[in-house]
Amino acid sequence: RKEVEQDPGPFNVPEGATVAFNCTYSNSASQSFFWYRQDCRKEPKLLMSVYSSGNEDGRFTAQLNRASQYISLLIRDSKLSDSATYLCVVPIPSGNTPLVFGKGTRLSVIA
Amino acid sequence: EPEVTQTPSHQVTQMGQEVILRCVPISNHLYFYWYRQILGQKVEFLVSFYNNEISEKSEIFDDQFSVERPDGSNFTLKIRSTKLEDSAMYFCASSSQNTEAFFGQGTRLTVV
Repeated sequence: RKEVEQDPGPFNVPEGATVAFNCTYSNSASQSFFWYRQDCRKEPKLLMSVYSSGNEDGRFTAQLNRASQYISLLIRDSKLSDSATYLCVVPIPSGNTPLVFGKGTRLSVIA
Repeated sequence: EPEVTQTPSHQVTQMGQEVILRCVPISNHLYFYWYRQILGQKVEFLVSFYNNEISEKSEIFDDQFSVERPDGSNFTLKIRSTKLEDSAMYFCASSSQNTEAFFGQGTRLTVV
C-alpha cells in the first residue's frame, strides 16, 4: 500500500455543490494529518490540520478514522474560488517527521 | 503575516552547472525543509534540517545535493552538477514545532 493515497479526480462540480475527498494512509503510527490546497504552479498552502477525530472550519470539514486509516475532506457550498488541487499530507512519525504528500485531487467548480 | 520567502523565483542553468537556491524561513521557526515537485507530479520530500544539521533525507537527496544555514536567517539548497532531471519546482518550508509546515512560493529550476 502506498504511504498516502487519494481519490484521483478530477472532480467537476457546480457552484453550491457539496464535494468530498478521501485519503488513506499506510502508517498506523501517524498522529497528525493535514489538508493542503495547491493552485496551479503555486506553493501548497495549509487548509486544515487534523489531530483528533476531526476538524471544522466554515465550509470545510475534515474527518479522521484511525481504525480504517482514512481521512476525508468535505467542502460544502462550493465556490468558484475553491477550484484547486487538494493535497492529503501525513507526517512520517519518526525523527523530524517530513511530510508525505498524496498526489492530490483536482477540483473544478463550474458556474 | 510572516511568510517563507525564496529566491530566485526562476533559475535557468546549463547541465553540469552548480545552482544555489535560497530561502528565508519564518523567523521563529526551528525546522526547515526542502521539497521538490516535478511538473505534473506530486510534492516530494528532499531533506529536513534542525539544530544546524540534517535530520532526515530522502533517496533523492544524493551527494549532488547539500544544504546550509550560513547565517541566522538563510537556508540554502545547493545542487553541485545539475542534470536535466533536476528540473522542477523547489519549495522551502519551515515549521515551529515539527508539525504543519509553511511553504515558500518556490523556485522554478530549469536545466537546459
